[in-house]
Amino acid sequence: SQQGEEDPQALSIQEGENATMNCSYKTSINNLQWYRQNSGRGLVHLILIRSNEREKHSGRLRVTLDTSKKSSSLLITASRAADTASYFCATALYSGGYQKVTFGTGTKLQVIP
Amino acid sequence: EAGVAQSPRYKIIEKRQSVAFWCNPISGHATLYWYQQILGQGPKLLIQFQNNGVVDDSQLPKDRFSAERLKGVDSTLKIQPAKLEDSAVYLCASSLVWGRGPGELFFGEGSRLTVL
Repeated sequence: SQQGEEDPQALSIQEGENATMNCSYKTSINNLQWYRQNSGRGLVHLILIRSNEREKHSGRLRVTLDTSKKSSSLLITASRAADTASYFCATALYSGGYQKVTFGTGTKLQVIP
Repeated sequence: EAGVAQSPRYKIIEKRQSVAFWCNPISGHATLYWYQQILGQGPKLLIQFQNNGVVDDSQLPKDRFSAERLKGVDSTLKIQPAKLEDSAVYLCASSLVWGRGPGELFFGEGSRLTVL
């Protein structure tokens, strides 16, 4: 089952613009992670935000987390053609001594040169 | 540092045939995951190992899917017999951290299965 619902499902922007993707989830979490997947490839970890954090930055990435609304957003600033990929949020919950990681439905981002 | 290795990258089989996928995680990673990703969807967890023990296989169709992790290192995922709806990419991932520690997942390139 999918824990996260991402919005929008697809996004097309011009190079240099900012891209914002949203993720909503249903249950409690310990941390939330964002991954990128280029076409035909595996997923690559981008950033992890813990449940007691509200905002985190990494290079051109900014992630926010609102646990009261059970939502997160990923902002990519000054987008590049190489950012074209699918982006997934993943929620992590510790239960029974292990971390269970559940992925969302993904946002397909196209950056037009 | 070598990444997660998976093979084969592509496999085409007829329905009711069997197939096996292999995964070699990053050295020292205690946790190993198998995800199924159907085209246009997010990855769905099939089974999770911690060292060589199964900690979650609640979404594994056990009548046709099986998986093992020998000596807490390599893992194989088998499908027998395959159905048309098993057409998907099978992703293996590993994580250094186990238990309560937050940990990122490192993914292999995936094994794309087409069932005809």
